[in-house]
Amino acid sequence: RKEVEQDPGPFNVPEGATVAFNCTYSNSASQSFFWYRQDCRKEPKLLMSVYSSGNEDGRFTAQLNRASQYISLLIRDSKLSDSATYLCVVNSPLTGGGNKLTFGTGTQLKVEL
Amino acid sequence: DTGVSQNPRHKITKRGQNVTFRCDPISEHNRLYWYRQTLGQGPEFLTYFQNEAQLEKSRLLSDRFSAERPKGSFSTLEIQRTEQGDSAMYLCASSFEYEQYFGPGTRLTVT
Repeated sequence: RKEVEQDPGPFNVPEGATVAFNCTYSNSASQSFFWYRQDCRKEPKLLMSVYSSGNEDGRFTAQLNRASQYISLLIRDSKLSDSATYLCVVNSPLTGGGNKLTFGTGTQLKVEL
Repeated sequence: DTGVSQNPRHKITKRGQNVTFRCDPISEHNRLYWYRQTLGQGPEFLTYFQNEAQLEKSRLLSDRFSAERPKGSFSTLEIQRTEQGDSAMYLCASSFEYEQYFGPGTRLTVT
């Protein structure tokens, strides 16, 4: 079983739609979680951290369910510029205070006119 | 631009040659990471530095790979005797705490 699993998509949605991505992780000891966004042939960029209480940043809402080991990302009122691959990321501690990021394969979103 | 920088951005090499990539992290970040990403996959962790000390290496990092961060600032990743399977995007990231910021990557093609 992969450490982080995501539906690869693509999700093709019209502009203005609401779209939700889901992710599951296998290590129940994982402590922190993120969503990264990656545009084609570019580096991943941090979109938002995911907290147990859920958190919102403008049109984006992230939720974590530790009991089910499940993470979600909701995008409301989607824009053409939201078209990208969304990577679910689980953080594991390393020696000396570092952190290893384990990425899912990513979910591709295409927002269309 | 005060972000993470990587050089070169693209490298094409013949199988069996050695290549070296450089990463310059965000200046106040003491932690530096190398990842590798192949097509259709998320980035995979390779190695981690805290200042100049290499504290963690993935099993993905075979003995043909070596990374250094001699003065705790920039880092280099060298691949010896390259193989076609080494073709990938090599990403560097730096952090001060949890949040890692990635550079633009070096895309390696081994012919």
